[in-house]
Amino acid sequence: AAGVIQSPRHLIKEKRETATLKCYPIPRHDTVYWYQQGPGQDPQFLISFYEKMQSDKGSIPDRFSAQQFSDYHSELNMSSLELGDSALYFCASSAPRSGAANTGELFFGEGSRLTVL
Amino acid sequence: LAKTTQPISMDSYEGQEVNITCSHNNIATNDYITWYQQFPSQGPRFIIQGYKTKVTNEVASLFIPADRKSSTLSLPRVSLSDTAVYYCLVGDGYGNKLVFGAGTILRVKS
Repeated sequence: AAGVIQSPRHLIKEKRETATLKCYPIPRHDTVYWYQQGPGQDPQFLISFYEKMQSDKGSIPDRFSAQQFSDYHSELNMSSLELGDSALYFCASSAPRSGAANTGELFFGEGSRLTVL
Repeated sequence: LAKTTQPISMDSYEGQEVNITCSHNNIATNDYITWYQQFPSQGPRFIIQGYKTKVTNEVASLFIPADRKSSTLSLPRVSLSDTAVYYCLVGDGYGNKLVFGAGTILRVKS
């Protein structure tokens, strides 16, 4: 079965550079979530999109922005990178909301590992 | 958002049953309780979800008392491959802003 696809899997950047992470949700999933997980930390919610509109916002820095496109894929743009941005970035998707039939399960990708030098 | 509290870590041996309890005193009426498992450098993976009483699937059981202020994930006969971090999350079941608290590191020994 198709899973959530994230690219690139690994990315190395210098301080103050920009980076873009891409997420392709499971087909027919309409909601995408971004999480950041630093070394030894728990996943931190950044932002989510439902039907191409931002649905919720967490601890996303102002230097970061994201959007969901018409084909439901999402991109996380990070600018003025700092050393502390080094982390695993997970994207997750969930199925359309259809009442009792939807458990709200989040399906996570394998993550994109960003290293800022 | 309801805050969750779990033990920081637990140790077990292969073949034993492991029970991890999560406290969520401020759970809302429309909140579900969901547990995820995460291996190092991998995305979290859904284990089980419930609203009240008991839910069982092929890998775990979830026990939720009547007041829903806590829940217990039960893993029967754990193996070494069950060594992972387990997260208890509380949300409205549609995945809106699911917040990961501090999970429980489960170490299974032979």
